[in-house]
Amino acid sequence: GAGVSQTPSNKVTEKGKYVELRCDPISGHTALYWYRQSLGQGPEFLIYFQGTGAADDSGLPNDRFFAVRPEGSVSTLKIQRTERGDSAVYLCASSLLREGREQFFGPGTRLTVL
Amino acid sequence: QQPVQSPQAVILREGEDAVINCSSSKALYSVHWYRQKHGEAPVFLMILLKGGEQKGHEKISASFNEKKQQSSLYLTASQLSYSGTYFCGTPVNNAGNMLTFGGGTRLMVKP
Repeated sequence: GAGVSQTPSNKVTEKGKYVELRCDPISGHTALYWYRQSLGQGPEFLIYFQGTGAADDSGLPNDRFFAVRPEGSVSTLKIQRTERGDSAVYLCASSLLREGREQFFGPGTRLTVL
Repeated sequence: QQPVQSPQAVILREGEDAVINCSSSKALYSVHWYRQKHGEAPVFLMILLKGGEQKGHEKISASFNEKKQQSSLYLTASQLSYSGTYFCGTPVNNAGNMLTFGGGTRLMVKP
């Protein structure tokens, strides 16, 4: 079946602009995660959805970052007033609800803030 | 706190073995291992759970020492396809499957 998909694959924006990054999880996966990966580093947890609600958003760096998952499937990560330090690859992953389950990662969106 | 991985990089000849270590400063109830090739998404390798349960692939083995808060990934008879960056991940908290990842170990297998 289809894996996790993310769009766009690349996004170049200017400092101060607003961006939206989309994630389509694997069908039937109720858990969805957003991570951010900087060059040469491991993925950094941002936010976790269980169904439609954000179960844990403790990884969001500040209030410029926000994510939604209104129907419990597709999720959108929104970044306001982008800064150069936001440049990274944003990864989305999904898994079955239970703990100890493998996460399936999408290919990521490479965000570059000029 | 993110786990600490060692070594940071390994270069092997095809057929050689390697061990990648992951240690945490906090008590663990699971350790997750992923491999990421350049420009690609991380791919699941293995989950080790408290109590000794493992879920993963047949050709890769790992250990989990709960007392020492450490895990090791064993790559035997390495193949060219094993090249990539290996990450261990540990739960952010006990309430979900969110992971905090180590800095990674870059493995290069040469012919």
